[in-house]
Amino acid sequence: DSGVTQTPKHLITATGQRVTLRCSPRSGDLSVYWYQQSLDQGLQFLIQYYNGEERAKGNILERFSAQQFPDLHSELNLSSLELGDSALYFCASSVFGDRRETQYFGPGTRLLVL
Amino acid sequence: EDKVVQSPLSLVVHEGDTVTLNCSYEVTNFRSLLWYKQEKKAPTFLFMLTSSGIEKKSGRLSSILDKKELFSILNITATQTGDSAIYLCAVSWDNYGQNFVFGPGTRLSVLP
Repeated sequence: DSGVTQTPKHLITATGQRVTLRCSPRSGDLSVYWYQQSLDQGLQFLIQYYNGEERAKGNILERFSAQQFPDLHSELNLSSLELGDSALYFCASSVFGDRRETQYFGPGTRLLVL
Repeated sequence: EDKVVQSPLSLVVHEGDTVTLNCSYEVTNFRSLLWYKQEKKAPTFLFMLTSSGIEKKSGRLSSILDKKELFSILNITATQTGDSAIYLCAVSWDNYGQNFVFGPGTRLSVLP
């Protein structure tokens, strides 16, 4: 158990819908990362937050957005969902968001878009 | 285009064998290379490499980076069935945060 929690574990929804995935980092960690893992694309970095501020942006679609709240939990919002958005979404956290730090991954949220 | 290539994509060995997994990369402004092990769900961190030629070891696993030739290897000696997993290589660039690109992974199966 990494100490990173994600909810929900599974989510099934329809195309065109909007969902919110939630992540609570390890106690004391200030930085949160979001990743998407699909069968055809592999693991992709989406976005990083540090202490409420966006720090780095990867391959995140415009239909997706994220934020980190004052209590340091983070939410990833996915809107206008398409079939291709079906994937496992991971959240990871680290203390300072520095490249030299280990990131600890949560168990993931499996999203299925029908 | 930044990319990370891993080979082989899949490998089947028997317990006790030694395996070498390869990761090569092409990224601008390289910062570090990371290895992860992914079993059923979330990846778990193995190593972070930033300097060439310095081997990192953890038990039966070791890894080394060659920044001149732009590759890294992950060695696993005396493999066990518990080593069966997907091994992911990721490369970070970015002066400030940690922007990453991941390779496709190597699926290792260790048979008893």
